[in-house]
Amino acid sequence: AQSVTQLGSHVSVSEGALVLLRCNYSSSVPPYLFWYVQYPNQGLQLLLKYTTGATLVKGINGFEAEFKKSETSFHLTKPSAHMSDAAEYFCAVSRAGGTSYGKLTFGQGTILTVHP
Amino acid sequence: DAGITQSPRHKVTETGTPVTLRCHQTENHRYMYWYRQDPGHGLRLIHYSYGVKDTDKGEVSDGYSVSRSKTEDFLLTLESATSSQTSVYFCAISESGQPTDTQYFGPGTRLTVL
Repeated sequence: AQSVTQLGSHVSVSEGALVLLRCNYSSSVPPYLFWYVQYPNQGLQLLLKYTTGATLVKGINGFEAEFKKSETSFHLTKPSAHMSDAAEYFCAVSRAGGTSYGKLTFGQGTILTVHP
Repeated sequence: DAGITQSPRHKVTETGTPVTLRCHQTENHRYMYWYRQDPGHGLRLIHYSYGVKDTDKGEVSDGYSVSRSKTEDFLLTLESATSSQTSVYFCAISESGQPTDTQYFGPGTRLTVL
């Protein structure tokens, strides 16, 4: 079984400040990890994903995440927050191998608020 | 943007009423998924499909059924809606169904069961 825990249901930062959204996973096999973003009243869209290779993954809109196997973490960062980053962010994991059919297990979500 | 539409976008219904939500895609992707989104729970998989007439249960399938008679359409049915099924429902598609594949999401359907 696999699971995802996002630490902090709400994170508030000032415009221009560092954004750090935390994600820890549990998986019995090597995981594939995703960050999705949901803007108000919209569906989810992919920010970035880790599959294999480089553990530092760069995504859209200046976001990046680092896969740390020893810490079972995949935290999302952005050096300087912008007002347009205000949204809900979801970390998700899929399981390698077998007949997973690409099913995703999502974390609880973190709402990011950006103050002027 | 991936061509995914969901209908209706909003629905209010009464307890005990059957409800069908539709997901339509124009991408010809083989894999389709239904999720529900609830505060504090993120998104949870209800059912998924790996081809026409091929479907299986997700983690929260009780009270839901699905059908897929065409590649482009994936229907979610609540046979007898309950208040606990008040939620926002999202459809997603995936081209290959591989665990590394990106899922593309529709705009969602907000369902209220009174």
